[in-house]
Amino acid sequence: GQQLNQSPQSMFIQEGEDVSMNCTSSSIFNTWLWYKQDPGEGPVLLIALYKAGELTSNGRLTAQFGITRKDSFLNISASIPSDVGIYFCAGQGSSGGSNYKLTFGKGTLLTVNP
Amino acid sequence: NAGVMQNPRHLVRRRGQEARLRCSPMKGHSHVYWYRQLPEEGLKFMVYLQKENIIDESGMPKERFSAEFPKEGPSILRIQQVVRGDSAAYFCASSPFSETQYFGPGTRLLVL
Repeated sequence: GQQLNQSPQSMFIQEGEDVSMNCTSSSIFNTWLWYKQDPGEGPVLLIALYKAGELTSNGRLTAQFGITRKDSFLNISASIPSDVGIYFCAGQGSSGGSNYKLTFGKGTLLTVNP
Repeated sequence: NAGVMQNPRHLVRRRGQEARLRCSPMKGHSHVYWYRQLPEEGLKFMVYLQKENIIDESGMPKERFSAEFPKEGPSILRIQQVVRGDSAAYFCASSPFSETQYFGPGTRLLVL
């Protein structure tokens, strides 16, 4: 089956630092999504990317859809304590597959030291 | 404008009992998806339903697991004769069409 490799697995940073995480896939996706999950809660959508090469921002978050359609990265600038959580990438819609099923990475655990 | 609701939030069952998880989609959403998350893992797709129809259950174990989304009422994920390996967080998501999915807070199932 499809697999997403997300890295790093965890990050421990100081408040104010920038953060970068990425996902690579063995197959092509039509859509890349980034979610954040707080403890005991469900994933919350941060950014959705629909076009290869697309660069999209949402406040301090910036994400890009790789031109090969097999990768994506998420940057967080000037981190703050409430950025703490687990960040998941997800691919949706692959050639020969469904256009609804989300395939998730294993997550990046972000800890921000005030 | 309520989001996706799931209940119960936590469920404890003994081996062999039945677990019944409920999901109410966002208003106006007729597509429901169930995902399972094991500890320190990402979410894994289980099943996709529209009202009264199972569209794709390829991610659901063939035995003991079933799902429904009746014409009236919430979607139900049912696990019969639970085993310890069923302990996980189960998330429901909904969408208006087959596109961006919005997740509920999940049900944490613990099998003793």
